[in-house]
Order: sequence, then structure tokens, then C-alpha cells
Amino acid sequence: EGQLFESGGGPVQPGGTLTISCVASGFTFRNFAMSWVRQAPGKGLEWVATISGSGSSINHADSVRGRFTISRDNSQNTIYLQMNSLGADDTAEYYCARTLGDRIETWFDPWGQGTLVTVSS
Amino acid sequence: SYELLQPPSVSVSPGETASITCSGNKLGDTYVSWYQKKSGQPPVVVIYRDSQRPSGIPERFSGSISGGTATLTISETQAMDEADYYCQAWETSGTFGGGTKLTVL
Repeated sequence: EGQLFESGGGPVQPGGTLTISCVASGFTFRNFAMSWVRQAPGKGLEWVATISGSGSSINHADSVRGRFTISRDNSQNTIYLQMNSLGADDTAEYYCARTLGDRIETWFDPWGQGTLVTVSS
Repeated sequence: SYELLQPPSVSVSPGETASITCSGNKLGDTYVSWYQKKSGQPPVVVIYRDSQRPSGIPERFSGSISGGTATLTISETQAMDEADYYCQAWETSGTFGGGTKLTVL
């Protein structure tokens, strides 16, 4: 089935940097793409980034491209999201999710419990 | 990416059938998944590949697609089904619909 656990969220000042992590267990981590999805308070779900199982293919949403970087360490069953130049609009619960399927049939299952990032002065 | 449009809210009486739609001009060329999101909990996939139901999801949940509209149908709706529901598709990147709040009156 698989389990995911995010960590590293917290308060950060505007313009600041934060890296959040997600540790996976219960499945062969290197065989699966992984993604970050966020939900701002009172808003809907927003896809943020996806990384392939090997790490060779990476895709970021336009809203974060150039500021956020997804990466992974298959030896540690962990993915990361380095977030730079943070703004108030980046305040959200950040979820990691195993990414299944391929291209036009991609879906997310399971999801972690989330880690809250709050950008405020 | 492209837009997926959902109604903001849907209401249903217990035991009745709820239908939540998701429209997009490229649906049919891509597959749709549906997620249930309850407050304080992570999303759970209830339908993937337009109409496939993961193990553990009740048979009351079904998905279909016709033309440019995907539909999540919940039969014999229960109070525990009250949640926000999101459709999702992937073209060159991930896209979620704006979400539909399902109220079971």
C-alpha cells in the first residue's frame, strides 16, 4: 500500500527559503514517480511538481518554476522540495503523493498527511 | 496545462444519488481521476483512469466520461460521503479542478 510522511514545514519570512521532506515506506520507492501537491487555506488542490523514479525527469508548475526545486534520494526513500523566494501565496499545506500511471493517465495514491508552510512576517 | 471546471457545490439527500461534473476541452484525450478531501485529512483517490475504483473504495462510487465532461456518481449517498471532491487530469503537467463541496442534507 505504502505510507508517506512529510516534515520540515513551519513559519518562514517573505523572501525566505525552506526545504520540506517526505519519507516513503511500504513500496519500492525507486520504481515510482513522486509529486508535491499543495492546498492554500480555503482554496483547492494545486499540483506543484513531479519527479520520475530515477530523478531524471522533473516537472514544476508555472507558479513555482524557477523558485521551487523537487529532488529525491532513492537511498533514503525521500523526496524534497526546496522553496526559495517564498511569498504569502505559497502559504499552504504541502502533500507528497506517490504518482502512478504514465503521462495522460497519471494519478496520485497514496498521499501523506501534509506539512504546513506559513509565509508571514 | 488547462482548466477543469467543477460546480462549487452539490447537495443531496441521504440515500439519493449525487453527481459531480468536471468539464475540460481535452477530457477524453486524457484520463480523469477523482479525489475525496475531508477537512484535516489528506486527499484519497476514489476513481482513476476515468472509471476505475481502487481497492477499499465502496462500489457506490463510480466514474464516467462523455465528450468533454467527466462525472463522479455516488449512489445511495451517506453522511460520511460529505466532503470536497476534486477531479484531476494530466496533459503535460498536473491539473486539478476547483473542487465541489458535497453536502448531504
